[in-house]
Amino acid sequence: DTGVSQNPRHKITKRGQNVTFRCDPISEHNRLYWYRQTLGQGPEFLTYFQNEAQLEKSRLLSDRFSAERPKGSFSTLEIQRTEQGDSAMYLCASSRTRGGNTDTQYFGPGTRLTVL
Amino acid sequence: DAKTTQPNSMESNEEEPVHLPCNHSTISGTDYIHWYRQLPSQGPEYVIHGLTSNVNNRMASLAIAEDRKSSTLILHRATLRDAAVYYCILRDVRTGNQFYFGTGTSLTVIP
Repeated sequence: DTGVSQNPRHKITKRGQNVTFRCDPISEHNRLYWYRQTLGQGPEFLTYFQNEAQLEKSRLLSDRFSAERPKGSFSTLEIQRTEQGDSAMYLCASSRTRGGNTDTQYFGPGTRLTVL
Repeated sequence: DAKTTQPNSMESNEEEPVHLPCNHSTISGTDYIHWYRQLPSQGPEYVIHGLTSNVNNRMASLAIAEDRKSSTLILHRATLRDAAVYYCILRDVRTGNQFYFGTGTSLTVIP
């Protein structure tokens, strides 16, 4: 396993701009999750995919947020019209549903977003 | 979402055992108990998980109370690399695989 990768690692943007983050899960992991973490808090669940299907979205995921996983491999998280309150670490995780340890989520290093 | 309660912070001397407690009095029969840790500037890392029986792996041991309303993560010999925030998480396999993290316990290891 090469691990979950996320790009970019850091993003600084001005309020009102759109940003997009990418997550590449561990190969053959069919589940992919997005979390958000603010300073001093634990990660908060945003949404998750099984293959291409987005199966659940948190109430935290406002209309300005959209996530996709078009081919069931990598995923993108887009934030439109960013606000200062969107400043956080955005974490991606993946897991499998068959074979091996299906209970473990493997996290990427995160993308730190700063909205000025 | 089932909730967990952990102390905000704990300290341990290097090479001594550490017992990190977690209360989960509202746990249901289908909730698994997961422990993750997060080192500074990194994503959370899996430590251990269990349902009813105590569990051991190369990183730690998990002791689960008989009524399952509490659990303890045991690091047998703390090292400086174990300094991290430790999260105790309940996962209900019926409702999905997403994790609901609390604020965790920040472990300081004193050389």
